[in-house]
Amino acid sequence: SQQGEEDPQALSIQEGENATMNCSYKTSINNLQWYRQNSGRGLVHLILIRSNEREKHSGRLRVTLDTSKKSSSLLITASRAADTASYFCATDSTGNQFYFGTGTSLTVIP
Amino acid sequence: DTGVSQNPRHKITKRGQNVTFRCDPISEHNRLYWYRQTLGQGPEFLTYFQNEAQLEKSRLLSDRFSAERPKGSFSTLEIQRTEQGDSAMYLCASSFWGLVNEKLFFGSGTQLSVL
Repeated sequence: SQQGEEDPQALSIQEGENATMNCSYKTSINNLQWYRQNSGRGLVHLILIRSNEREKHSGRLRVTLDTSKKSSSLLITASRAADTASYFCATDSTGNQFYFGTGTSLTVIP
Repeated sequence: DTGVSQNPRHKITKRGQNVTFRCDPISEHNRLYWYRQTLGQGPEFLTYFQNEAQLEKSRLLSDRFSAERPKGSFSTLEIQRTEQGDSAMYLCASSFWGLVNEKLFFGSGTQLSVL
């Protein structure tokens, strides 16, 4: 079964705006990762945050992790039309496998 | 590094037929994962290998599903007696597992349609 849930399920914004999506999970984790998926394609890794980290940046991406609330957020700043995709969080609890959430579908309108 | 390769990209079959998918991981990666994804959902874990050993299978994986990774290189996923509910995207991913489990590299998937 899937470990995480993303919120919102769908998000539509204008180009240049920031996009924020959230992930909640159920059990303690070693790390949490965010992936992106373009329609009909495989997933691409974006960023990883470990359980002892609270915030991480990579280019226009900012990820936060609150282990007390079992939640994470992904912020994409200055969005572009090319950011249109589905975004998934994935949690690693055992070091052996990853559980993916249900995803947020992001549409960036040019 | 040519990435993770999956074949075929699309497969249409009739209910009751057997199908087999192939995944070629990144060559130096020792772990290989199979996931299933239906429309509007996230990838659902099926099974994973470390080298040639199949270490875990999801309880959701029925006896009709079998996976192999001979010699720890490519992997095959076979579905016997396909059912319409098997229609999904089957994704393969690989990673290098060392001291910590790092990121997954995904293939483009095999889209299965069972008629």
